[in-house]
Amino acid sequence: EAGVVQSPRYKIIEKKQPVAFWCNPISGHNTLYWYLQNLGQGPELLIRYENEEAVDDSQLPKDRFSAERLKGVDSTLKIQPAELGDSAVYLCASSKGLAGETQYFGPGTRLLVL
Amino acid sequence: RKEVEQDPGPFNVPEGATVAFNCTYSNSASQSFFWYRQDCRKEPKLLMSVYSSGNEDGRFTAQLNRASQYISLLIRDSKLSDSATYLCVVMRNNNDMRFGAGTRLTVKP
Repeated sequence: EAGVVQSPRYKIIEKKQPVAFWCNPISGHNTLYWYLQNLGQGPELLIRYENEEAVDDSQLPKDRFSAERLKGVDSTLKIQPAELGDSAVYLCASSKGLAGETQYFGPGTRLLVL
Repeated sequence: RKEVEQDPGPFNVPEGATVAFNCTYSNSASQSFFWYRQDCRKEPKLLMSVYSSGNEDGRFTAQLNRASQYISLLIRDSKLSDSATYLCVVMRNNNDMRFGAGTRLTVKP
């Protein structure tokens, strides 16, 4: 079974430029998560989707970050404009959404903003 | 104060040693508990779930004390391949997972 797929794996951009990350969850997983992970820290939730509905976006900086999951399968996370402090690893995870079900992570996108 | 707190580490131990990691959480409504392992520049991967009665998977033993809001992970007979960062994870009843900052383990020959 294929795991969570993310692209690109690495991205280097200049500040103020836009950037987008893509995620395709494990087949059959209704719940999709976007996390941000800084060096030496654990992942921090940005947004959680149940099918196509964003059920928790309280930690998403909405002035510059946006996300969508239009058909309830793959998802895109966008930053516009990017700031130096956005340099981090952006992880996508998915789960079946059942109570207590664990999450499976993709390899992440490593973003460097210069 | 963070919702999930872990020993900061790093832990540097010789092969064959026994090492224990501790974790505390602040949300008493938390429902499920896990340990994840994260290798350098890789994604987190589930190591094991943690049950109230305690559970064991080979050389790994996890324990949960709900009254003290405390979780532990014990690794016996450490291998070089155990070198990684171990993340304590707490799940709320809405499937919202909160991660600790991780404890880094290095097992040396």
